[in-house]
Formats: sequence, structure tokens, C-alpha cells
Amino acid sequence: DGGITQSPKYLFRKEGQNVTLSCEQNLNHDAMYWYRQDPGQGLRLIYYSQIVNDFQKGDIAEGYSVSREKKESFPLTVTSAQKNPTAFYLCASSTSGSGAKNIQYFGAGTRLSVL
Amino acid sequence: GQQVMQIPQYQHVQEGEDFTTYCNSSTTLSNIQWYKQRPGGHPVFLIQLVKSGEVKKQKRLTFQFGEAKKNSSLHITATQTTDVGTYFCAGPTQGAQKLVFGQGTRLTINP
Repeated sequence: DGGITQSPKYLFRKEGQNVTLSCEQNLNHDAMYWYRQDPGQGLRLIYYSQIVNDFQKGDIAEGYSVSREKKESFPLTVTSAQKNPTAFYLCASSTSGSGAKNIQYFGAGTRLSVL
Repeated sequence: GQQVMQIPQYQHVQEGEDFTTYCNSSTTLSNIQWYKQRPGGHPVFLIQLVKSGEVKKQKRLTFQFGEAKKNSSLHITATQTTDVGTYFCAGPTQGAQKLVFGQGTRLTINP
């Protein structure tokens, strides 16, 4: 069953703690993305990766870090430097390149709250 | 940087009424995509428009791409409660490395 799996579905962070959100895809997509969504708001890009071992900052990268060691996996770490981490985090993937290939497929998301 | 604006931000209609959301880009787009996010869910791809002036239909949904490839619209005829959700448009940046999403239009329906 192909798709994108995000875990956990819900996550709670204590002050000063780093937490890591998992994103795995078996769609054989080159590109992967992390978005943050606040209640009633749109999608803001945190980080994206077009290829293994390479990634770029999005619009709101401060306080977050990522790695892309495998094509299938793109974990996001919310560091203690992110002072307002409570949000809905969405991971997406797509085939890379120009033209009609950049349709994004989203995971079910992780809801992060601060204790 | 490239911006995609969507209006209205919210729309509440009676079931059976029509609904339209509009999307405008600050730059010419190679294509435009529409996504739907149900309450509590994740965005799901609906359609992609590529050609200038293109019109596509999916049952009660009609999607249009402007002649200048800078604007788009989604029209729903005779809304049903299953249409509830937030509709996002998105366009690729130059080089197509990422998508720029509009802020979305949240549709609520009175049954």
C-alpha cells in the first residue's frame, strides 16, 4: 500500500526538549517537504529536499532541523529554539523536476503540543 | 518573492448554493494545482491545470486557469455537506523545486 506515513499522530513536548517527527514514503519520490499549519491558517514551508543528502530551508526554518540520509525518510526535529512549536505538521512528497510532475502527496500529519 | 493570494478566506453557504474561490499569483505559473483539506485532515490533491484558459470539470467542481496563467478559480455548483473543508491553490516556483500555497478558502455549509 503506497503512501506517506507520519508518526506519531500526536506528540507532546516539554520545555527545553527536542522532539523528532517521522516521515516515511514508499512512493519512490525524490522530493520531500515539511510544512507547518497553525489553526485556521495555510501551509508554511519549513524545509524541503530534492535529493538524498541535500535539503534547503523554507520560509520558517528557524528552530527546526532535518536530515535526508535515505530517499524514503525525511525526519524533522523541532528543537528547543523553536519557542512556539504548537502546530499541525505535514510532510509531503513529489517527483522532482519541472513540468507537470510536482504534485504533492501529504501524510496524515502530526499534532505537536507543548506541555 | 512569489506570492499566491486566495479570496475569500472564509465562505459560509446554505446547502445547495454555489461557491467560488479565486486564486491570484504575483508571477506567471507553469501550472496551478488545487487541494482540498477536510476538517482535521490533510490536503489532498484535486487537479492540475497547465494550459492557458484551461477549464476542467470534476462532477460539480469546475476549475479554470486564466489566459495569462496568473489566476485561477474553483466553482462548486449546488454544494453538499461533503464539500466542507479548506480549498488551497498552489503554484510551482521557477525551477519547480517547491510549491507556493495560497492561504486557502474555508468552506462551511449549513445543511
